[in-house]
Amino acid sequence: GQQVMQIPQYQHVQEGEDFTTYCNSSTTLSNIQWYKQRPGGHPVFLIQLVKSGEVKKQKRLTFQFGEAKKNSSLHITATQTTDVGTYFCAGDQTGANNLFFGTGTRLTVIP
Amino acid sequence: DTAVSQTPKYLVTQMGNDKSIKCEQNLGHDTMYWYKQDSKKFLKIMFSYNNKELIINETVPNRFSPKSPDKAHLNLHINSLELGDSAVYFCASRAGGKTQYFGPGTRLLVL
Repeated sequence: GQQVMQIPQYQHVQEGEDFTTYCNSSTTLSNIQWYKQRPGGHPVFLIQLVKSGEVKKQKRLTFQFGEAKKNSSLHITATQTTDVGTYFCAGDQTGANNLFFGTGTRLTVIP
Repeated sequence: DTAVSQTPKYLVTQMGNDKSIKCEQNLGHDTMYWYKQDSKKFLKIMFSYNNKELIINETVPNRFSPKSPDKAHLNLHINSLELGDSAVYFCASRAGGKTQYFGPGTRLLVL
């Protein structure tokens, strides 16, 4: 069945360091979405990528969708304490109305 | 206005009890979901409803039963609660291929 894995599962960084989480799907995706869940909160949509090789930026966050549309990454430059939380990728299979969520990466930022 | 709401926010109960969690969305979405999030933060999909029809049931014990009186509501009823049912339960809704919106979560603790 469909599997979406993320690495690392946990990441601790000093404030100001960069951070990257990687997302890998066992099948080709029609699109990839990224969500952020703050501690005690619920997942909130960040961005959607649709095209092969697409790169999008949101301030210090850079999102990339792989050429084969099976992997994605989220890179945060110069982390801040407000970046703390769990980041999930989620992918759509073509023709399915069900997002397959990744296993998540929990980011801790040490002041 | 809250897009996806859940009640209650916290639920503490004894093993063996039956409980329900309610979910409502005011986004006009056709599909609603229930997720279980464990202590490791994995988001496990339990059910989805599309136009009042159950379309996914991911090997969830039959003690869990979703009930949808209309397309804006998807309630979750749990019979004979067990210790392992303790988790955070999220309701979500989505229009096909687009952003998924999560409710604030219900923190269930079974004693």
